[in-house]
Amino acid sequence: GAVVSQHPSRVICKSGTSVKIECRSLDFQATTMFWYRQFPKQSLMLMATSNEGSKATYEQGVEKDKFLINHASLTLSTLTVTSAHPEDSSFYICSASQGYGTEAFFGQGTRLTVV
Amino acid sequence: DAKTTQPNSMESNEEEPVHLPCNHSTISGTDYIHWYRQLPSQGPEYVIHGLTSNVNNRMASLAIAEDRKSSTLILHRATLRDAAVYYCILRAMNTGGFKTIFGAGTRLFVKA
Repeated sequence: GAVVSQHPSRVICKSGTSVKIECRSLDFQATTMFWYRQFPKQSLMLMATSNEGSKATYEQGVEKDKFLINHASLTLSTLTVTSAHPEDSSFYICSASQGYGTEAFFGQGTRLTVV
Repeated sequence: DAKTTQPNSMESNEEEPVHLPCNHSTISGTDYIHWYRQLPSQGPEYVIHGLTSNVNNRMASLAIAEDRKSSTLILHRATLRDAAVYYCILRAMNTGGFKTIFGAGTRLFVKA
């Protein structure tokens, strides 16, 4: 199946700093990418949907100024957690899809720890 | 957003078939039914998806009820590697695009 590469897999940062997470579709063009966060023993929570060249659409309750999403090309989307705080510590997962009727492929996830 | 309902957990014996049910009574005509599974500390893995007709692939089969208000993921012979959380999801078209929203999922335990 198609491959979505997410980097880094783990990151530890100090409170107040920013962290960028990259999501790349390696062998297909992703018109739409999704970003999720997941807390231990819980399901994935959709944070935002991004289409290439457009502004991301954020879910209710997700701060767009804190979680900056850039979908600059059909193969790359980035999520930047700005001014990170310990409560932002979580497992962040990206997903890419070629279109409405197609499957989604997921990255390996990024475990963010803010100290 | 249309929701799905799944049992919290199920148990199966190795080498036996597993039928994972999903109810989606509020599904609309254009919603796709997707199934993904997730192992601990990994991103979800695509399993199968369909719209109206039953679907088969190398991993599983998807049986969709005639009224589309429920579906069943069928693993033909469970192995220990199939132990995971299985998510049944409706992919729905919304203003400006489409979403894939996860429910709670079913944790599948496979006994040797």
